[in-house]
Amino acid sequence: SQTIHQWPATLVQPVGSPLSLECTVEGTSNPNLYWYRQAAGRGLQLLFYSVGIGQISSEVPQNLSASRPQDRQFILSSKKLLLSDSGFYLCAWSVQRNYGYTFGSGTRLTVV
Amino acid sequence: KQEVTQIPAALSVPEGENLVLNCSFTDSAIYNLQWFRQDPGKGLTSLLLIQSSQREQTSGRLNASLDKSSGRSTLYIAASQPGDSATYLCAVSLRPTTDSWGKFQFGAGTQVVVTP
Repeated sequence: SQTIHQWPATLVQPVGSPLSLECTVEGTSNPNLYWYRQAAGRGLQLLFYSVGIGQISSEVPQNLSASRPQDRQFILSSKKLLLSDSGFYLCAWSVQRNYGYTFGSGTRLTVV
Repeated sequence: KQEVTQIPAALSVPEGENLVLNCSFTDSAIYNLQWFRQDPGKGLTSLLLIQSSQREQTSGRLNASLDKSSGRSTLYIAASQPGDSATYLCAVSLRPTTDSWGKFQFGAGTQVVVTP
């Protein structure tokens, strides 16, 4: 069966520090991968999506970047965190034919 | 641009009552519609996925209907229980193109409280 792993679960980082969040999928190959952010009291915002290794599309200009070094690995990064980067970050995957999303358990990021 | 709206934003019902949650979307050319549940501080759990050729999906006490022509989906939860308390989100995806393949647009969610 397919599973998605996301870590860490919680993270407190000072302003200006770097960030690396990792997401891995098991039990499938060549998935579409997504990073979403959910800010307090707001809906889900798509940040990045990837349809293959090295292929990254950005939805909104921001302080973050994403990479897909392996087929089932998706990484969200920042060189210098801002206070506004705080939020709940969710990774998701879907099969190529878009049979729906499966989400990871999320990372709660607090920038202080 | 596809807009997804969920009304009401919050809902409180006594245990045993049926829940009716609404989702509306502006572009009827959707590909899939998916309902999720989110518990506080947790990720999203998929409840039901309705593909564009389907009109409804059922799983246990849950039933979701889809009316593309009117731009609406409804999630019914029969005989609600306190464990059903959560935020419910719907998400729609448009017909795939080179640019929009697989992307879903989410509603803001309906927060449900089922009181014992």
